[in-house]
Amino acid sequence: DTGVSQDPRHKITKRGQNVTFRCDPISEHNRLYWYRQTLGQGPEFLTYFQNEAQLEKSRLLSDRFSAERPKGSFSTLEIQRTEQGDSAMYLCASSPDRGADTQYFGPGTRLTVL
Amino acid sequence: SQKIEQNSEALNIQEGKTATLTCNYTNYSPAYLQWYRQDPGRGPVFLLLIRENEKEKRKERLKVTFDTTLKQSLFHITASQPADSATYLCAPPDSSASKIIFGSGTRLSIRP
Repeated sequence: DTGVSQDPRHKITKRGQNVTFRCDPISEHNRLYWYRQTLGQGPEFLTYFQNEAQLEKSRLLSDRFSAERPKGSFSTLEIQRTEQGDSAMYLCASSPDRGADTQYFGPGTRLTVL
Repeated sequence: SQKIEQNSEALNIQEGKTATLTCNYTNYSPAYLQWYRQDPGRGPVFLLLIRENEKEKRKERLKVTFDTTLKQSLFHITASQPADSATYLCAPPDSSASKIIFGSGTRLSIRP
């Protein structure tokens, strides 16, 4: 299967620790998106990449969050000094071309900050 | 700024009936709109895309309408089945069309 994959699927960490998530998009998809989703809400946009360039970052995103896509393929999302409010599902999606094309989502990484 | 609103309450209907979900948007006019399905603990899955020049789009038991005057899209599932139970998300592009934005979703439950 060549769908979007995310690793890990679940992460439990203590407050103050750093965590890093990985996303592997569908091959040849140029765009890669990161979202955060909490219970009862739709996915909230965090950031997106066109190939290796990070084109937009949500103004709501804390400086503790950083994302990279160094070779235009997989991407990582790092959260530094985690807080309990960071507990959420982190979703990655990819799309083939233009900005608002249909997106293909991965299974998500569930983060729990204790 | 643009706003997307979906029925916040869960929708419970009897198997075999038609489910109708509503998505309203304000403060802008998207050129198209997408609908996604999301099952618990999983990522959303694309269902349908409808453009502003299309009044209606169908796919099997699914039908979507797009009323640019009312600023509303309706999502219908006919002959509903328990397997249709999920959360359905409305997702138009943002005003710059650089990304899509999601409504909060409507949870649909189909009882046998």
